[in-house]
Amino acid sequence: TQLLEQSPQFLSIQEGENLTVYCNSSSVFSSLQWYRQEPGEGPVLLVTVVTGGEVKKLKRLTFQFGDARKDSSLHITAAQPGDTGLYLCAGGLAGSSNTGKLIFGQGTTLQVKP
Amino acid sequence: KAGVTQTPRYLIKTRGQQVTLSCSPISGHRSVSWYQQTPGQGLQFLFEYFSETQRNKGNFPGRFSGRQFSNSRSEMNVSTLELGDSALYLCASSLLGGLNTGELFFGEGSRLTVL
Repeated sequence: TQLLEQSPQFLSIQEGENLTVYCNSSSVFSSLQWYRQEPGEGPVLLVTVVTGGEVKKLKRLTFQFGDARKDSSLHITAAQPGDTGLYLCAGGLAGSSNTGKLIFGQGTTLQVKP
Repeated sequence: KAGVTQTPRYLIKTRGQQVTLSCSPISGHRSVSWYQQTPGQGLQFLFEYFSETQRNKGNFPGRFSGRQFSNSRSEMNVSTLELGDSALYLCASSLLGGLNTGELFFGEGSRLTVL
């Protein structure tokens, strides 16, 4: 059972379209991160959200943390071919037994066609 | 500054063998964590080390082990390799470790193929 459910798993869109990726859980996370991974490379951090209801914007990317800190979304406006990649959400649970441990969603493979 | 360096980048082993992977964190980072990435399971947490101490361990069998040296470099070892151990093994370093205490910087990974 995946603690962080990410959807959709695959997304193929045309350049200029908008899209939203969702990350849901029944658990409360102390904070949540979004990463982007390209083939042959490790994940690269895009953003960290820590407060319930928090919204962060990074150029055409908008990240939101749910009020209850159980879910998050990534919205991309006017997608470009350079946005193509694997998008991963990752959360950290509170408590000393969870120190240093990130729980990842399955990832969303995004393909933006020119 | 130099990023996280993982060696080797690619390796092929046969069932029953053992393998050691190495990770050099960003200078000054004291936390190193390891993840296994497979198409079916995604990224799964293996373990995390901070100042040479293992602070947390994921749900992997005892064949998976690791250690951290005084210079923060880390190694992980997998003994008695199985076909299912084929994966990309990612190392990540951070200043203090833990999601709330800073960004994780990932290396490019070591791709292990078990035949």
